[in-house]
Amino acid sequence: DTAVSQTPKYLVTQMGNDKSIKCEQNLGHDTMYWYKQDSKKFLKIMFSYNNKELIINETVPNRFSPKSPDKAHLNLHINSLELGDSAVYFCASSQLTKRNAEAFFGQGTRLTVV
Amino acid sequence: DAKTTQPNSMESNEEEPVHLPCNHSTISGTDYIHWYRQLPSQGPEYVIHGLTSNVNNRMASLAIAEDRKSSTLILHRATLRDAAVYYCILLRREYGNKLVFGAGTILRVKS
Repeated sequence: DTAVSQTPKYLVTQMGNDKSIKCEQNLGHDTMYWYKQDSKKFLKIMFSYNNKELIINETVPNRFSPKSPDKAHLNLHINSLELGDSAVYFCASSQLTKRNAEAFFGQGTRLTVV
Repeated sequence: DAKTTQPNSMESNEEEPVHLPCNHSTISGTDYIHWYRQLPSQGPEYVIHGLTSNVNNRMASLAIAEDRKSSTLILHRATLRDAAVYYCILLRREYGNKLVFGAGTILRVKS
């Protein structure tokens, strides 16, 4: 069983479109994250939800909107896609109440905007 | 965000030990030292973490300096599958456990 799964794995779309990436974790964790890895390979956190409540919201354009229907899911919706949104997006989860709080990452969604 | 400094790249021979250094001179008393690695085309993977004492697990060992301003990840016998980017990260719970990734160290393993 995959601990953190993202769909789709690859997404190619045109500028201006709206798209969503889904993430699910079966680890029973209370916190989920979205990270973005750009072409230079830098990984940056975008959002985090703890028990369906937004706790981290880094400087991200309003076109990006996370949605957490329940603790096991955190989806990322992107409006009006731009060329600069092309990147690999990683979902992750961890248990905030644990002292070590290791994070588990999904395999990533490679988004290409053309 | 607490900053760490790592060498850009390192090279190792297969079956030999590898010591990956990390400097974190601005570490605070409650920061945990975490190491993750990212294999090609995969998501980051947790390796090990520690607070003050040295730590061992099935993947690696973590040696933490007495003043906690530096640490070293030790892979006891490098294999080709260990070729990856290794990230040293300081974790603060009050920041929602967010991981702040630097550039990391690219580890190349030669057969």
